[in-house]
Amino acid sequence: AQSVTQLDSHVSVSEGTPVLLRCNYSSSYSPSLFWYVQHPNKGLQLLLKYTSAATLVKGINGFEAEFKKSETSFHLTKPSAHMSDAAEYFCVVSGMNTGNQFYFGTGTSLTVIP
Amino acid sequence: DAGVIQSPRHEVTEMGQEVTLRCKPISGHDYLFWYRQTMMRGLELLIYFNNNVPIDDSGMPEDRFSAKMPNASFSTLKIQPSEPRDSAVYFCASRQGLAGQETQYFGPGTRLLVL
Repeated sequence: AQSVTQLDSHVSVSEGTPVLLRCNYSSSYSPSLFWYVQHPNKGLQLLLKYTSAATLVKGINGFEAEFKKSETSFHLTKPSAHMSDAAEYFCVVSGMNTGNQFYFGTGTSLTVIP
Repeated sequence: DAGVIQSPRHEVTEMGQEVTLRCKPISGHDYLFWYRQTMMRGLELLIYFNNNVPIDDSGMPEDRFSAKMPNASFSTLKIQPSEPRDSAVYFCASRQGLAGQETQYFGPGTRLLVL
């Protein structure tokens, strides 16, 4: 079975400081992992994805994530937060069933303080 | 490409009324997913289609919900009769059918309020 746990429901950072959003996964095989961002009243936008290539994945808007198999983690980071980063972030693991069903974490709400 | 298109973007209706949500997936995508998002339950997969055929509808809450995909470019999610607890944001997503192409692309969602 596949699942993800987002360890923080809310994260608050000051503008210009680093961002760390934590995600741990559970999977019986080598998974595909994703981070999506949802701005208020918007749909979900893909930030980045890991699909068994390089373990350090770079995404849009300066975000990156590192796949660590030994720690079953896929944490999302950004060196310097911007006000526009304030949003809800979802960690997702893809299943091995026919449709590669997505299993979503519960989300982390990021607040950026000016 | 215009991305996944959903309509309406907002819907307000009264309990007992029929509600139909519409989705146009990205051209060439073989899979289509319907999700529901609420504060209490987060994102839930309701049903997904492959090549217009429903594959897994185990997430559909009850018989009041039904979904169809008559062709590769259109799908509907219908609620009849609607209830206040159906109030949520409903997302449609699509993806390619190729191996290694698991990325799902989401529409902007339909915000449903049932009074």
